[in-house]
Amino acid sequence: AQSVSQHNHHVILSEAASLELGCNYSYGGTVNLFWYVQYPGQHLQLLLKYFSGDPLVKGIKGFEAEFIKSKFSFNLRKPSVQWSDTAEYFCAVLSGAGSYQLTFGKGTKLSVIP
Amino acid sequence: DAGVTQSPTHLIKTRGQQVTLRCSPKSGHDTVSWYQQALGQGPQFIFQYYEEEERQRGNFPDRFSGHQFPNYSSELNVNALLLGDSALYLCASSLPREAYNEQFFGPGTRLTVL
Repeated sequence: AQSVSQHNHHVILSEAASLELGCNYSYGGTVNLFWYVQYPGQHLQLLLKYFSGDPLVKGIKGFEAEFIKSKFSFNLRKPSVQWSDTAEYFCAVLSGAGSYQLTFGKGTKLSVIP
Repeated sequence: DAGVTQSPTHLIKTRGQQVTLRCSPKSGHDTVSWYQQALGQGPQFIFQYYEEEERQRGNFPDRFSGHQFPNYSSELNVNALLLGDSALYLCASSLPREAYNEQFFGPGTRLTVL
């Protein structure tokens, strides 16, 4: 079965610091990859997604992620975080043709200190 | 434009009871997925409904069942509740054509089993 690992449970950064959140998945075939974010008191919402093509994907609010097939990774990055980026971030994978099952990682809580 | 709505917001039940949770999809969407999110975990896929039928199911027992109505709204039913069923239950809706279409999440129903 597909599994998704997020390396960090809780990350604390100061404003303007750079961010990289790790995500690795186990499925060796074709995958579709997502990062979702949940701001305090709000619904899960999509940050960015990768289906095919350029492995560097840009999302909302200055976030980007890079798909590295050889490493089974899809790490999320932002060059300079803001206090408003404080949230929980989830990596998710759709694996295999005809699969509708999104498999999520356990999430990484990001706290940004002003 | 109404997003995904869920009811009730919170629910308290005792072991052995049955519960029904409800979801209305985002306007224009006709596919509904249900997820269980235990404390400190990422969402886990329960099943997806399309055209009033269960299209795919995750690794959940038969105590978890669902239904989709002609207006695309959906119900999640859980029988013989266990303490371990305590969780946030999320509903997500999407367009049907491609599995990798963005899933829009609702606020969830917090179920507590005593």
